[in-house]
Amino acid sequence: NAGVTQTPKFQVLKTGQSMTLQCAQDMNHEYMSWYRQDPGMGLRLIHYSVGAGITDQGEVPNGYNVSRSTTEDFPLRLLSAAPSQTSVYFCASSPPPTRGRSYEQYFGPGTRLTVT
Amino acid sequence: AQKITQTQPGMFVQEKEAVTLDCTYDTSDPSYGLFWYKQPSSGEMIFLIYQGSYDQQNATEGRYSLNFQKARKSANLVISASQLGDSAMYFCAVHISPMRGRDLGGKLIFGQGTELSVKP
Repeated sequence: NAGVTQTPKFQVLKTGQSMTLQCAQDMNHEYMSWYRQDPGMGLRLIHYSVGAGITDQGEVPNGYNVSRSTTEDFPLRLLSAAPSQTSVYFCASSPPPTRGRSYEQYFGPGTRLTVT
Repeated sequence: AQKITQTQPGMFVQEKEAVTLDCTYDTSDPSYGLFWYKQPSSGEMIFLIYQGSYDQQNATEGRYSLNFQKARKSANLVISASQLGDSAMYFCAVHISPMRGRDLGGKLIFGQGTELSVKP
């Protein structure tokens, strides 16, 4: 299994450009999430999905769109890049909780995005 | 709203000694899970240990153990016999389990992290 893969690893954008960060997992996990990590901070949730066709906003959703047409893929779209979106982006997946037990989230390697 | 607090921005420990990284959480949900992740300088997030809110015993995974004090809402990570490779950022996180039809998905709330440096 490849686990969670993210592309690209690095990206530089100009202000106002749009792009899509790709995320895929081959573990058949229902839950997928996008986080951003700013310097010296923990991860903050952008959007999440509990299954194909179902997405919802996290803590910091503004400026980002997601869709989930398949179980495997969960792309993150930046509509009009801004310098404030310079960050490291992590995608994660996990099975849903069962009998009150949560499961670890498997993280991708991250995408380092710089917006100039 | 849920919140995680890690009060130690940075910690130093001598190689082979034990170290405790503090984590307190704030949630009113009865069912939740607590996680610790390690982030080395290479940037990946590595799962270390999990504690469920209904688990009676403290979780252990090799050199990692979780000192879970539910009444105090505390979930400290203990690393025994520190190694140079333990130098990294450590994040505590809470996951709220679905209840009453409300499914927050894989939502993890993270603390700010503690940077651990192991001295030879």
